[in-house]
Amino acid sequence: IAGITQAPTSQILAAGRRMTLRCTQDMRHNAMYWYRQDLGLGLRLIHYSNTAGTTGKGEVPDGYSVSRANTDDFPLTLASAVPSQTSVYFCASSEVAGEGDTQYFGPGTRLTVL
Amino acid sequence: GQNIDQPTEMTATEGAIVQINCTYQTSGFNGLFWYQQHAGEAPTFLSYNVLDGLEEKGRFSSFLSRSKGYSYLLLKELQMKDSASYLCAVRDSNYQLIWGAGTKLIIKP
Repeated sequence: IAGITQAPTSQILAAGRRMTLRCTQDMRHNAMYWYRQDLGLGLRLIHYSNTAGTTGKGEVPDGYSVSRANTDDFPLTLASAVPSQTSVYFCASSEVAGEGDTQYFGPGTRLTVL
Repeated sequence: GQNIDQPTEMTATEGAIVQINCTYQTSGFNGLFWYQQHAGEAPTFLSYNVLDGLEEKGRFSSFLSRSKGYSYLLLKELQMKDSASYLCAVRDSNYQLIWGAGTKLIIKP
């Protein structure tokens, strides 16, 4: 069982380019999340999905979009990348969304926008 | 606003005990989590507290006081592999996790 996989592992991107970060989980978890992690700051929620077919905005959604066509996949798209989107991006999942449910994280994607 | 405070960095000696504190001010409270994150890796779950008191799990224990908005993670018999960042997160009234910036723990032999 792989758990959660993310691709690519790292990427250098020119500003203005479109980029999709992929996330796949094989745990049949209902809820999935995208976070960004920047030095000196806590993880910040970008978007989330409580179940397939639904998505919601987190704390820092501007410049990002997501889709949840099925249970396993939750891609994050940067429509037109900007340098401030340079960060480490983590995908996470939990069995359900709600009290006490533990989130499990993928290995992360390190994105640099120049 | 919502705020999670943790010390930025702590240093401890192999074999010793260390306590990492976390204070929080959030809109609602639906549980507190501790995660461990080694450099360049993903966070991994350590503990969860929703009621006041101490939860013990091997060498690691976590304490919660909801009235004080306070938690701590206690690590005993420190090992070099415990060198990592420790993240405190609170689930708020919307059931979203609010994360602290993490405490970098350095273990010295």
